[in-house]
Amino acid sequence: DIQMTQSPSSLSASVGERVTITCQASHDISNYLSWYQVKPGKAPKLLIYDASKLEAGVSSRFSGNGSGTDFTFTINSLQTEDIATYYCQQFDNFPCTFGGGTKVETK
Amino acid sequence: QLQLEESGSGLVKPSQTLSLTCTVSGASISGGYSWGWIRQTPGKGLQWIGYISDTGGSYYNPSLRSRVTIAIDESKTHFSLKVTSLTAADTALYYCARGGGDGYEVVFDVWGQGTMVTVSS
Repeated sequence: DIQMTQSPSSLSASVGERVTITCQASHDISNYLSWYQVKPGKAPKLLIYDASKLEAGVSSRFSGNGSGTDFTFTINSLQTEDIATYYCQQFDNFPCTFGGGTKVETK
Repeated sequence: QLQLEESGSGLVKPSQTLSLTCTVSGASISGGYSWGWIRQTPGKGLQWIGYISDTGGSYYNPSLRSRVTIAIDESKTHFSLKVTSLTAADTALYYCARGGGDGYEVVFDVWGQGTMVTVSS
């Protein structure tokens, strides 16, 4: 299975600050990468697919970049409603696999 | 608007079988989508379990394949997950979700809120 390594595992940032999460794949996955937002008690939300394509209806303050093995996810201006855990997922190889998650909190 | 809701046994004994149902509302199971299950364990994050296409083809994570069955009911408004031979390692929050088609079968754009399953005697 392809291993997805996310960093950091948690971070604390101020409202309005820019937040960046990285995801590294153990093998080349081209751009077959998604990002999800998970909040306790809520349905997870697809934010980004194909590494950089914004899912319909998702705020443009979220963005993704990268290809091959190295990817980044950015929240341009952190809002309180963005407090959540974020996961990357590769879907190039079977089975698809997820990163370990990054918990985002506010200072 | 499509909504998914998980239901089923919350506490199951070791070696028994877990049965969960995902109720699909706002649309039926059709249209070239996939219908999947994902779980979130306390220590290991998210794990894809498997999916079934609306034409009935099913695909499972090799690490779970021998114990997992996903099926769609005839009404096309529910799909189910069965996991046999449970151990404590199967304790998790179980989600159902809709995936795309044409290579996006495991890109899940609609999810349920999840149902907690605890395996304990």
